[in-house]
Amino acid sequence: SALTQPPSASGSPGQSVTISCTGTSSDVGEYYYVSWYQQHPGKAPKLIIYEMTKRPSGVPDRFSASKSGNTASLTVTGLQAEDEADYYCSSYGGRNTWLFGGGTKLTVL
Amino acid sequence: QVQLVESGGGVVQPGRSLRLSCAASGFAFKTFAIHWVRQTPGKGLEWVALITYDGGHQFYSDSVMDRFTISRDNSKDTLYLQMNDLRPDDSAMYYCAKAIDKFCFGATCYHADHWGQGTQVTVSP
Repeated sequence: SALTQPPSASGSPGQSVTISCTGTSSDVGEYYYVSWYQQHPGKAPKLIIYEMTKRPSGVPDRFSASKSGNTASLTVTGLQAEDEADYYCSSYGGRNTWLFGGGTKLTVL
Repeated sequence: QVQLVESGGGVVQPGRSLRLSCAASGFAFKTFAIHWVRQTPGKGLEWVALITYDGGHQFYSDSVMDRFTISRDNSKDTLYLQMNDLRPDDSAMYYCAKAIDKFCFGATCYHADHWGQGTQVTVSP
């Protein structure tokens, strides 16, 4: 995939977990348009973070995001069982392209 | 509420064509750019194409350029994806996804706040 994510992450209920998303200076490092999507099995992706740090209405503030250089990060605090899902990052790639990460399977232990 | 409903998927032989549709409701369709994004079972998401709100501009990933055509009919609130010369690696779940900002252009179009449930395309002899 164009953006690199760890294939898996895990944490116990109540704990925090951070998922990284590494791109290059031509995508994540250059643009503000990084977004994160949550996908439960058999369901469509759901937007949880856009424009690097913004949360759509209805998304709990347990979800937050940041960026440092060419790496974006999603942090989920106060893990709940319902947070178990696949998480995908994306970034504008320049020249009218949209890049996605390979996804991270988050397991709540 | 916003709804996107894809249709037109199925099983098709390599080299053949298929047209997907995405029927929109619950929002001002003609004011939003729309994407097609695909996902292979057990694998990640891959952007396919974008069309601007007025249909005036279309953009494609390298993997589908010159084979797929994205279009829209704003009088019918419907998005299309014409897929020609299909290959086995085009097999995937195809989603339509709505850009967040009205009248977006350029980088501001490349995130999506609503997705359909997808339609499955299988390319097999």
